[in-house]
Amino acid sequence: AQSVTQLGSHVSVSEGALVLLRCNYSSSVPPYLFWYVQYPNQGLQLLLKYTSAATLVKGINGFEAEFKKSETSFHLTKPSAHMSDAAEYFCAVSGNTGNQFYFGTGTSLTVIP
Amino acid sequence: EPEVTQTPSHQVTQMGQEVILRCVPISNHLYFYWYRQILGQKVEFLVSFYNNEISEKSEIFDDQFSVERPDGSNFTLKIRSTKLEDSAMYFCASSGQTMNTEAFFGQGTRLTVV
Repeated sequence: AQSVTQLGSHVSVSEGALVLLRCNYSSSVPPYLFWYVQYPNQGLQLLLKYTSAATLVKGINGFEAEFKKSETSFHLTKPSAHMSDAAEYFCAVSGNTGNQFYFGTGTSLTVIP
Repeated sequence: EPEVTQTPSHQVTQMGQEVILRCVPISNHLYFYWYRQILGQKVEFLVSFYNNEISEKSEIFDDQFSVERPDGSNFTLKIRSTKLEDSAMYFCASSGQTMNTEAFFGQGTRLTVV
């Protein structure tokens, strides 16, 4: 069975500081992993995805994530937070049949000016 | 850029009434999904649809829910007899022609049951 766990439901960082949002996965097969962002009153937008090509994945808006099999992690990072990064971030893993996506509980990112 | 569109953006209905939430997935996609997000909670899977039939469904997707792709472009979610606890944001999503490609989400329909 596939699942993801996001540690920290709320993260606050200062503008310009490093953003680190944690995601650990559980999967019985090589996983396909995703990060989505949800801005207030909007739908989910794909930030980046891991599909076994490269372990370091670069996404939109300066975000990247590193797949670490030994740690079963796929943490999302951004070197320098911007006010516009304030949003809800969801980690997701796709099922082994590819027929659904399992989402984490989300991490709300606040950026302090 | 192709996108998933959902209508209406907000629907208010009385408890016990039937509602139909509509979605137009991206045109060449083959996998379709409904998710819901109760206010302040995580995004929950409801159902996936492929090749004109349900391929997976969650425990939430009980007999009061149904999905349909009536005309090859729309993908609808019907809730037969709404309950207060059905109040949530409902997201439609579609994904491409192979498994494990990312899902593209619509903006959601906020359903309020009163």
